[in-house]
Amino acid sequence: EAGVTQSPTHLIKTRGQQATLRCSPISGHTSVYWYQQALGLGLQFLLWYDEGEERNRGNFPPRFSGRQFPNYSSELNVNALELEDSALYLCASSLEVGGPGEQYFGPGTRLTVT
Amino acid sequence: DQQVKQNSPSLSVQEGRISILNCDYTNSMFDYFLWYKKYPAEGPTFLISISSIKDKNEDGRFTVFLNKSAKHLSLHIVPSQPGDSAVYFCAANPNYGGSQGNLIFGKGTKLSVKP
Repeated sequence: EAGVTQSPTHLIKTRGQQATLRCSPISGHTSVYWYQQALGLGLQFLLWYDEGEERNRGNFPPRFSGRQFPNYSSELNVNALELEDSALYLCASSLEVGGPGEQYFGPGTRLTVT
Repeated sequence: DQQVKQNSPSLSVQEGRISILNCDYTNSMFDYFLWYKKYPAEGPTFLISISSIKDKNEDGRFTVFLNKSAKHLSLHIVPSQPGDSAVYFCAANPNYGGSQGNLIFGKGTKLSVKP
């Protein structure tokens, strides 16, 4: 069974540009989560999508947004990029909604803003 | 303000010995805890979890202990192997008042197991 996949692996952008990151969950999983891991920090929760709806978002500005498609894949968009947006962006999926179920992570997209 | 804390950034252990990784949390409402392992250039991999109704959960070489009164949990790896060398993250699921979806992670502890 294929795990969570993310693309691209690496992304280099200039300050002020927009970045789009993509994620495909494990087959059968309906929930997708996005996390940011900046240098020296733990994983910070960004967004949670389930059944095409945004269910919760972390303490990030509105220029971080996304969506979930009917096939449950997801996109994370970061507008007006700032240098401090440089980080590893991790996507996770889970089967159990509303419960304590484990989340399964993809390999991440390394975003570098210059 | 960190709700999940891993106060040891790194830990070095000899192969065959026990590795003990510690984690503290601040919110007594947290009811489910997880440990993840992360190798460089890979996403975190789920290791083991524990519900707040238990004080111990074991899976092979990995055991997680939960002390609710102290708001403390620990991961024991016995015996430690060089392949266990990775960054270990402690996470809590704040699943109170309805699921919020997200996990709250500590900053991680880098474990090095020396042959």
